[in-house]
Amino acid sequence: AIRMTQSPSSFSASTGDRVTITCRASQGISSYLAWYQQKPGKAPKLLIYAASTLQSGVPSRFSGSGSGTDFTLTISCLQSEDFATYYCQQYYSYLFTFGPGTKVDIK
Amino acid sequence: QVQLQESGPGLVKPSQTLSLTCTVSGGSISSGGYYWSWIRQHPGKGLEWIGYIYYSGSTYYNPSLKSRVTISVDTSKNQFSLKLSSVTAADTAVYYCASTLPGDAFDIWGQGTMVTVSS
Repeated sequence: AIRMTQSPSSFSASTGDRVTITCRASQGISSYLAWYQQKPGKAPKLLIYAASTLQSGVPSRFSGSGSGTDFTLTISCLQSEDFATYYCQQYYSYLFTFGPGTKVDIK
Repeated sequence: QVQLQESGPGLVKPSQTLSLTCTVSGGSISSGGYYWSWIRQHPGKGLEWIGYIYYSGSTYYNPSLKSRVTISVDTSKNQFSLKLSSVTAADTAVYYCASTLPGDAFDIWGQGTMVTVSS
């Protein structure tokens, strides 16, 4: 199975901050990488697919980049509603796997 | 707009079979070429993909659960189902159903249903 790692596992930030989360795959996955946002008690919400394509309805402050094994999710100007846990997921292999998550909380 | 809704018992006894159903509304389970998946999340933990089914009935399961998992589809009811046998406390989790096109991300999720394995 392709193992996904994320860093950091958690951090505190303030509204207005620019934040970056990193995801790494244990082998090359081309651009078959998605990012999800999850809030407590809710299902994950797709933010970005194909590593850098914004899902319809997702604010443009979210962006993704990378290919191969290294990927990043950037939030350009953190809003109050962005405090959540973020997961990356590879779909290069049909044994879909997720990263362990990055929790963003309020400083 | 397609929506998914999980249903099933919230409490299952150890060694028994966990059974959940996902009802698809706003679209046909037989159209669009979607793969219909089950994903779970242990309390306070990350996400684990369990398996998927295509409307034709073809399936693919996570090897770590394959010996205990069955996913089936009922096109007449626009539903797909999960059965997980011989459950233990380690199967306690929130179970989500989700959909994806081949080679794509999970774009639609159900709200999730908590299943506790306990006597």
